[in-house]
Amino acid sequence: EAQVTQNPRYLITVTGKKLTVTCSQNMNHEYMSWYRQDPGLGLRQIYYSMNVEVTDKGDVPEGYKVSRKEKRNFPLILESPSPNQTSLYFCASGGEADTQYFGPGTRLTVL
Amino acid sequence: GENVEQHPSTLSVQEGDSAVIKCTYSDSASNYFPWYKQELGKRPQLIIDIRSNVGEKKDQRIAVTLNKTAKHFSLHITETQPEDSAVYFCAASRVRGSARQLTFGSGTQLTVLP
Repeated sequence: EAQVTQNPRYLITVTGKKLTVTCSQNMNHEYMSWYRQDPGLGLRQIYYSMNVEVTDKGDVPEGYKVSRKEKRNFPLILESPSPNQTSLYFCASGGEADTQYFGPGTRLTVL
Repeated sequence: GENVEQHPSTLSVQEGDSAVIKCTYSDSASNYFPWYKQELGKRPQLIIDIRSNVGEKKDQRIAVTLNKTAKHFSLHITETQPEDSAVYFCAASRVRGSARQLTFGSGTQLTVLP
């Protein structure tokens, strides 16, 4: 089954404690992206990647890092999380047709 | 960068009526416009999309129109049903450097009243 998976689905952590949210897709898509969703703000792009070892900033990259060492994986790293990074995070992947497929989401709470 | 505005933020309609959600975009280079539906607690899912070389596209009860000159596009849902209740997001996609970037509107909470 073609899908995008994310782990963990829920995470509660404390300020400053490094964390990684994993994202994996099995559709051989070159394009992958991370979004955060906040009430009233829609989905805002954090980082995206056009292919292995190719990443670029989206609209709200501050406080986040990503890596793309393999085509199927695109982890999101928060080196020192802060409360304003409490949000719902979605990973997405897309092929040549521009359509993006979203993962199930990760609800992160930073205390 | 691209700015996408979406209206209304909330919309309530009676079952069987039509619903219309409107979006405007700022970057004339945008040429792909998808619409996503997000049910409560679920991921956004693509329901329909349109490219800039087309003015209208229809899929059963759902249609999207695009006015490139005015830089606005709309989602039309006819004969609404309770299962249409969800948050709907429009988006505009443009090439940025070597990549395509998708910018989303802020969403419309559609409630279909039985």
